[in-house]
Amino acid sequence: QSALTQPASVSGSPGQSITISCTGISSVFGTFYYVSWYQQHPGKAPKLVIFEGSKRPSGVSNRFSGSKSGNAASLTISGLQAEDEADYYCKSFTSSNTWVFGGGTTVTVL
Amino acid sequence: EVQLVQSGAEVKKPGESLKISCKGSGYRFTTYWIGWVRQMPGKGLEWMGVIYPDDSDTRYSPSFQGQVTISVDKSINTAYLQWDSLKASDTAMYYCARPSDSDSSGPFDYWGQGTLVTVSS
Repeated sequence: QSALTQPASVSGSPGQSITISCTGISSVFGTFYYVSWYQQHPGKAPKLVIFEGSKRPSGVSNRFSGSKSGNAASLTISGLQAEDEADYYCKSFTSSNTWVFGGGTTVTVL
Repeated sequence: EVQLVQSGAEVKKPGESLKISCKGSGYRFTTYWIGWVRQMPGKGLEWMGVIYPDDSDTRYSPSFQGQVTISVDKSINTAYLQWDSLKASDTAMYYCARPSDSDSSGPFDYWGQGTLVTVSS
């Protein structure tokens, strides 16, 4: 069981916004700066979509945004599209100088 | 162009040893951390550990410490993940990955294609 907790699934209709939470950040290291988010389509390697809490790598749609709310990090996908249907994972640094993934969230576009 | 190319799928029996590889190209191999990530069938991503090729500084997740060995041969720009005695529970897809920032072991911006390891009697 991961130290980072994500909802198992989130769904939304095309065009809507959805938010995926990642709790437990404070228990692993406590710094939002070290949170990153990955998207993984079935049978594919993961893809980095957010790093340092809220930054987007080059080429990632601006529909993806990262934020902090209390002790949780969040990934918001706005203007939901069919291609956003995938698994999403948060990741954070730990006090042991290692990293840990959240359990993952399946996003379904209705 | 940065590329990480992993070795091919493996089918092994319990108790056998295995070493899979990840060859980096298109960048200065020695100055970027390389990490390994496990994904068991139908399950989530698990961070296993990272290695810094220049000095072989290695960090393991507590879950994988003592279970696997991460190593590197910088003369051929290749990182390795090794098991001395495989178990059926090692059946998984294994990815190598590299951060975009040479100062960090963190966010993995480049990924290998994955190596499927199947352990079955």
